[in-house]
Amino acid sequence: LAKTTQPISMDSYEGQEVNITCSHNNIATNDYITWYQQFPSQGPRFIIQGYKTKVTNEVASLFIPADRKSSTLSLPRVSLSDTAVYYCLVGDATRSQTGANNLFFGTGTRLTVIP
Amino acid sequence: SAVISQKPSRDICQRGTSLTIQCQVDSQVTMMFWYRQQPGQSLTLIATANQGSEATYESGFVIDKFPISRPNLTFSTLTVSNMSPEDSSIYLCSVEYSKETQYFGPGTRLLVL
Repeated sequence: LAKTTQPISMDSYEGQEVNITCSHNNIATNDYITWYQQFPSQGPRFIIQGYKTKVTNEVASLFIPADRKSSTLSLPRVSLSDTAVYYCLVGDATRSQTGANNLFFGTGTRLTVIP
Repeated sequence: SAVISQKPSRDICQRGTSLTIQCQVDSQVTMMFWYRQQPGQSLTLIATANQGSEATYESGFVIDKFPISRPNLTFSTLTVSNMSPEDSSIYLCSVEYSKETQYFGPGTRLLVL
């Protein structure tokens, strides 16, 4: 089962680029890598998802090396409102239909953006 | 995307009682999930609820303690039975909308005294 490891916390100044790396050594062939953002008193919010190489959207970029054993979430020019917990999730939700648990949230990385 | 609501948003309950949490989605979805998030901790999957079948529970969670209903494609309930203070947590429902992407409800904050 693909579990994940992330740094517990990170600090960054406003305007800097932030890179958060997630290790998932046991990732399976069918697993996608998904990142979520969670603010206090809210449910997690989808940020970005990828399978391999690089994915970019209006919010972030996701870099996945060829072996897929890790992934890096990149947040360009962070602002104070990016202060949140960021979770890396690896799994194939469709397998949950057969009873196999694939949906492990890691410890998350608490990002604090400093003025 | 999907819009998900949960009721109640928070509650304070006495030990030994039960609380049923409702999750409503604004569109039909096949897979719904229930998570628990204890204060300052990550999310732990309790069970997967698919319409027309029994919920699938993860290790450490049992149906007698967390019975789940899924009567249709837009609604599910999770009951926390015979509560103890250790059940104090945030309970979140989510739906799989597309390609393993989940959308989460706002959560139900439960305090058991």
